[in-house]
Amino acid sequence: AQSVTQLGSHVSVSEGALVLLRCNYSSSVPPYLFWYVQYPNQGLQLLLKYTSAATLVKGINGFEAEFKKSETSFHLTKPSAHMSDAAEYFCAVSESGGSNYKLTFGKGTLLTVNP
Amino acid sequence: DGGITQSPKYLFRKEGQNVTLSCEQNLNHDAMYWYRQDPGQGLRLIYYSQIVNDFQKGDIAEGYSVSREKKESFPLTVTSAQKNPTAFYLCASRQGLAGGINEQFFGPGTRLTVL
Repeated sequence: AQSVTQLGSHVSVSEGALVLLRCNYSSSVPPYLFWYVQYPNQGLQLLLKYTSAATLVKGINGFEAEFKKSETSFHLTKPSAHMSDAAEYFCAVSESGGSNYKLTFGKGTLLTVNP
Repeated sequence: DGGITQSPKYLFRKEGQNVTLSCEQNLNHDAMYWYRQDPGQGLRLIYYSQIVNDFQKGDIAEGYSVSREKKESFPLTVTSAQKNPTAFYLCASRQGLAGGINEQFFGPGTRLTVL
């Protein structure tokens, strides 16, 4: 069975500071990994996805994530936080293979950006 | 514009009443999903459908029912058997019958409050 752990339910940074949101996964087969963002009372929007083509994945809004198999991690980073980055972020895993139609989500990390 | 619509955005119902949430997509996607979101819980899968006239239970299907009579529509009924129905409900769709490489696209959500 696959699972996702997001360390830190709430992360607070200053505007212009580095953003680091942590995601660790568990999967019995090579995974596909996703980061989504959710603004208040809205649906989820895809930030980026890992599909085994490259371990460093660049997404929208200046975010990127690095897949590290040895650490079973897929942490999300952004060099300089902007006020508009304040939102909730979800990491999700989908297994390559027979059960790959389902996503398993982490519980989310709420990012606060202070002026 | 292609996308997923959910209606209504806010829904209030009395305890013991069944209620149906609408989800429509014009992306020509094969698979559709329903999730429930509670604060601090992430997204939990209720039901999913990969083709018309077929659907499978997710992790928390008890007290819910769905139908998939048309490719573009996947309504969710919250029945009186659901013990705690107040939540934010998200519908999603994905291209392709298989292949976890394809991300899910989300609708804007329906916030259901049972009084």
